[in-house]
Amino acid sequence: DGGITQSPKYLFRKEGQNVTLSCEQNLNHDAMYWYRQDPGQGLRLIYYSQIVNDFQKGDIAEGYSVSREKKESFPLTVTSAQKNPTAFYLCASTKDRGVWDAYGYTFGSGTRLTVV
Amino acid sequence: AQTVTQSQPEMSVQEAETVTLSCTYDTSESDYYLFWYKQPPSRQMILVIRQEAYKQQNATENRFSVNFQKAAKSFSLKISDSQLGDAAMYFCAYRSAGRDDKIIFGKGTRLHILP
Repeated sequence: DGGITQSPKYLFRKEGQNVTLSCEQNLNHDAMYWYRQDPGQGLRLIYYSQIVNDFQKGDIAEGYSVSREKKESFPLTVTSAQKNPTAFYLCASTKDRGVWDAYGYTFGSGTRLTVV
Repeated sequence: AQTVTQSQPEMSVQEAETVTLSCTYDTSESDYYLFWYKQPPSRQMILVIRQEAYKQQNATENRFSVNFQKAAKSFSLKISDSQLGDAAMYFCAYRSAGRDDKIIFGKGTRLHILP
């Protein structure tokens, strides 16, 4: 079955470390997204990519970096510059769509990142 | 910029009863899409229902239906015959029909089902 795989499910980071969260999809979707979820904050967009080798900052990109070298993969690196990285991270993807149609997202199962 | 507001952080409903979750949004666009997502305790996001702004007819999916009021920029979700499995966080979301594919989410409403 097609879907989005996020790994690991749980991740612990020490102060000052960079960590990378994996997101892989086999849905042949063009666009991929990273969201951060905090209690009471809903989902906030970190980065998104609509095509390979191109990506845009979302609302809270500071302290994060991404790459999109392959259509299937959109890893997120949480750098030491991110001062409060403890959160739940969700990856999502969607088909490119025509003018008169739209799709919601397909989501991964998330990664819980904790700073220790 | 578009915004999505869910004014009810938490709600409770008796099993088998009907509940309505509120959502308002702000946009200057005339063509867009609206969604309700469910996030159960597993934290897996599930699309519940979607509505195209150009359609006047309200979307329905089994026990889930929406009341879409375009002029009022309101998009409420009605859950009929509530079941224990409906307990979850519900997010209202907006997506432009233009080239920008981002979905903007509200802060969510946590729904409790009382047995």
